[in-house]
Amino acid sequence: EIVLTQSPATLSLSPGEGATLSCRASQSVSSYLAWYQQKLGQAPRLVIYDTSNRATGIPARFSGSGSGTDFTLTISSLEPEDFAVYYCQQRSRWPVTFGQGTRLEIK
Amino acid sequence: EVHLLESGGGLVQPGGSLRLSCAASGFTFSGYAMSWVRQAPGKGLEWVSSISGSADTTYYADSVKGRFTISKDTSRNALYLQMNSLRAEDTAVYYCAKDYAYGRTMIRGLIHDQWGQGTLVTVSS
Repeated sequence: EIVLTQSPATLSLSPGEGATLSCRASQSVSSYLAWYQQKLGQAPRLVIYDTSNRATGIPARFSGSGSGTDFTLTISSLEPEDFAVYYCQQRSRWPVTFGQGTRLEIK
Repeated sequence: EVHLLESGGGLVQPGGSLRLSCAASGFTFSGYAMSWVRQAPGKGLEWVSSISGSADTTYYADSVKGRFTISKDTSRNALYLQMNSLRAEDTAVYYCAKDYAYGRTMIRGLIHDQWGQGTLVTVSS
């Protein structure tokens, strides 16, 4: 199965700062990489699909990039509601796999 | 508006069985693939199983293959997960999730664009 490794495990930033979250795949997933946001006690929410497409209702400060094995989720200027855990997920090959998550916390 | 509501979770002994349900509304259920994704307490997300819109194709994680069965009843707009031979490591919140695209083939996995709020399954004696 394809293993996704996210870094860093925890990212401490202040509102207004920019955030860069990484996801590396153990083999190429082409562009079939998604990002989800999960807040405490809530279900995950789709943020980005197929590397760079924002999901419905996601603000423009969220962007995704990458291809093959290296992917990035960028949040240009953090808002208080952005602090959460972010997971990447590949759908290139079965089984679908998720990364272990990056916790984005307020500094 | 899309709405997914899971039910059927609870406490079950190791080796026992449980059937989870997910009631779907707000979209053409028969046209969308669906998944179950779980999250053990304090842990990350783990994909469990997916089923095509027409219910003719299914996939399972190795950790549940042979023990869990996914199904859907389009007349009831319901997704199910029959879980047998439960183990302590199956303890988790189980989410149902909908695919992003209508009529997608399952050559590749799903984009999970809508999720339910989850139902907790606890396997313990």
